[in-house]
Amino acid sequence: DSGVTQTPKHLITATGQRVTLRCSPRSGDLSVYWYQQSLDQGLQFLIQYYNGEERAKGNILERFSAQQFPDLHSELNLSSLELGDSALYFCASSPLGGGATETQYFGPGTRLLVL
Amino acid sequence: GQSLEQPSEVTAVEGAIVQINCTYQTSGFYGLSWYQQHDGGAPTFLSYNGLDGLEETGRFSSFLSRSDSYGYLLLQELQMKDSASYFCAVCNQGGKLIFGQGTELSVKP
Repeated sequence: DSGVTQTPKHLITATGQRVTLRCSPRSGDLSVYWYQQSLDQGLQFLIQYYNGEERAKGNILERFSAQQFPDLHSELNLSSLELGDSALYFCASSPLGGGATETQYFGPGTRLLVL
Repeated sequence: GQSLEQPSEVTAVEGAIVQINCTYQTSGFYGLSWYQQHDGGAPTFLSYNGLDGLEETGRFSSFLSRSDSYGYLLLQELQMKDSASYFCAVCNQGGKLIFGQGTELSVKP
């Protein structure tokens, strides 16, 4: 158990809908990262927040948005969902702002299925 | 652009040694990390190389050659529980982790 929690574990929804995924980082960690993992694909970095501010952006679609709240939990919002958005969404956290030597601790993931 | 290449699959037998290679092209390279993922579970950190050379952690070792843009993960005394996907990831400017596509390791009895 990494100490990172994600809810829900599974989510089934329809195309065009909007969902919110939630992540609570390890106690004391300031950075939260979101990743998307499609079937048989690697982990695609979406976005990083550090202490409430956006720190780095990856290949995140405009239909997706995220935020980190004062209590450091984070939410990833996915809207106008398409079939291709079906994937595992992982949240990870690290103690500081990220960087080469910082280990990222991953949560168990949210499995999203868009029908 | 940025890219990482690693073999998609590797098979080995229990007790053997296996090496998973990773070559990368990236700007602002700061280090190479390795993560293990069991069947859709949470990826877990295995090792990190910021400098050239070998890092050893128990049965796992990782190597980096910055001049060759190349690294590898070495797993010794393979166990059935080592069957998993292994990802190399480069840390570039800004601290972003860019992951490879992963290598699925199957350990046979």
